[in-house]
Amino acid sequence: KAGVTQTPRYLIKTRGQQVTLSCSPISGHRSVSWYQQTPGQGLQFLFEYFSETQRNKGNFPGRFSGRQFSNSRSEMNVSTLELGDSALYLCASSLSGSGNTIYFGEGSWLTVV
Amino acid sequence: GENVEQHPSTLSVQEGDSAVIKCTYSDSASNYFPWYKQELGKRPQLIIDIRSNVGEKKDQRIAVTLNKTAKHFSLHITETQPEDSAVYFCAAYYDYKLSFGAGTTVTVRA
Repeated sequence: KAGVTQTPRYLIKTRGQQVTLSCSPISGHRSVSWYQQTPGQGLQFLFEYFSETQRNKGNFPGRFSGRQFSNSRSEMNVSTLELGDSALYLCASSLSGSGNTIYFGEGSWLTVV
Repeated sequence: GENVEQHPSTLSVQEGDSAVIKCTYSDSASNYFPWYKQELGKRPQLIIDIRSNVGEKKDQRIAVTLNKTAKHFSLHITETQPEDSAVYFCAAYYDYKLSFGAGTTVTVRA
């Protein structure tokens, strides 16, 4: 059974650009959540989706957005990139998100220059 | 919102000794408590989890205990091995999100 798949794995962007990250959950999982990991702030919750509906959102500016498709795949977008957006972006999936086991993907390493 | 505190931030143990990491959480509504191990450059990997209706869970050399009244939970690793060296994160789950502790860097000395 394939794990959580994230693309791209590594990317470099310039300040002011935008980026879209993609996540395919484990087959059968319908809850997808996103986290940002930085050395200074640790692991922080961005948002969670289930059946194409956002059920919770973390304390991030509106430049950070996401969506989920009918096949449970998810994307997150960051617009007007800032240097501080450089981070590891982790996608996680679970069956329904209601306290089910949560598995992380390998992450997308974003560097903003 | 939920606040998770994790101690210690670094832990150095002799191979074969035990390691204990402790976490406290603030929101009594949190109902699921996973522990993740993260090696350098890799994703957090689930090593053990416990739900709020269980007080203790064990998986080979790893055990987790939960005290709901005191709102704290702990990870115990026995007979540590060099491959246990990594950063360990505790987390508390509520309202569709995980709130993480700041992490513990565990070094197992050979």
